[in-house]
This record gives sequence, C-alpha cells and structure tokens, in this order.
Amino acid sequence: GQNIDQPTEMTATEGAIVQINCTYQTSGFNGLFWYQQHAGEAPTFLSYNVLDGLEEKGRFSSFLSRSKGYSYLLLKELQMKDSASYLCAVPRGSKSTFGDGTTLTVKP
Amino acid sequence: DVKVTQSSRYLVKRTGEKVFLECVQDMDHENMFWYRQDPGLGLRLIYFSYDVKMKEKGDIPEGYSVSREKKERFSLILESASTNQTSMYLCASSSPGQGWNTEAFFGQGTRLTVV
Repeated sequence: GQNIDQPTEMTATEGAIVQINCTYQTSGFNGLFWYQQHAGEAPTFLSYNVLDGLEEKGRFSSFLSRSKGYSYLLLKELQMKDSASYLCAVPRGSKSTFGDGTTLTVKP
Repeated sequence: DVKVTQSSRYLVKRTGEKVFLECVQDMDHENMFWYRQDPGLGLRLIYFSYDVKMKEKGDIPEGYSVSREKKERFSLILESASTNQTSMYLCASSSPGQGWNTEAFFGQGTRLTVV
C-alpha cells in the first residue's frame, strides 16, 4: 500500500521561500506528482518527478529522493496568489493515491 | 484548451434520491476517475475506468456505481443518496502514457449536499 504524509498547514511571507515536504511508503514506485489546488477549484498539475534530484520550473521546483521516500516542493519569491493547497500524489498503475494536502497561506 | 467538464457545480438532493453526476472530457483520454474530497481526508478514489465499458473499484466504492458508455463521458451514480455522501466530487482524466505516468486533468468539481 501507500502511506503519504504532508504537513497540514504552513504559513509564509510574500517574497519568501517555502518548502513543502511529502514522505511516502510504497510497495512499487512510479514517480511522484505535485498538484496545486486553490480554494473551491480543481487541482492542477505542477510537476512530476520519476528520477532523483531537483527539477526546476520557474518559481517552483520539486525534489525527489527515492531511497528516502521523500519529496519536496520549493516555492520561491512567494506571491499572494500562491496561497493554496499543495497535494503530492503517488501513482499506482494508472491511478494515483493523494496525500491530504498542505494548505499554504501567504501573508503580506 | 483541454477540458474536463462536470455537469453541475452545486447540487442539493434529498436522502434516498438517485443522483447522477456527469463528466465529459475532450482530450480523447482512455482513463477517467471519480474522486471525492473531504476536509481532513484528502482526495479518495471512488471508481476508475480505463476504457469504454470498463471500470474498476477505487478505495471507497460503497454506495456508488459508474457508467462509461462512451469514451468521453464518465458518470457517477449514487443509487440512494445519504447524508454521508455530502461532499465535493471531482472527475479527472488522463492518458495511459508510454511506460510512464501522465498527469490527471480535473473538472471544476460538483459540491453535492444531501439533505
């Protein structure tokens, strides 16, 4: 099975950097997704990591360590619009198991 | 612009009613999913379909059924709605990929209230 853990809530200041962690336990590994979900809206895809290391995409980067069962999402130069829930998800076949999400609040 | 469209944004139904939630995608995706999302419980998979007329139970299928008669449409059916089925329902689709996983595209969600 897959157990996925993320912090429930985080708060950061506009312009700062924040790191959202995700740990997982899985019997088979096929990569890890990160999604962003604004309140009342649908999740949207942010990143997919299948190999170890850091992948950068503008202000957002995602890191994966398969041996440690660990990933993080790094958000730089935080903006107010980054206030949202961030979900990590581990694929199992064509399906995915989602973490409960981390609600990030960005304050001025 | 790729789209997954759910038929209703908000729905209020009475206990015992049969409820249909419809989802249509225009990306020619083979895979379609129904999730429910509840505070503190995250996204939980109800049912999954990997092809027309094919379906597979997810983690919480009890009290639900699905129908996939056409590739673009995936319906979730609550046979007899109960108050514990009050939730946000999210439909998603994805392509099977070629030896790797592809991201899911989500609809805007249907907030169902059963009274």
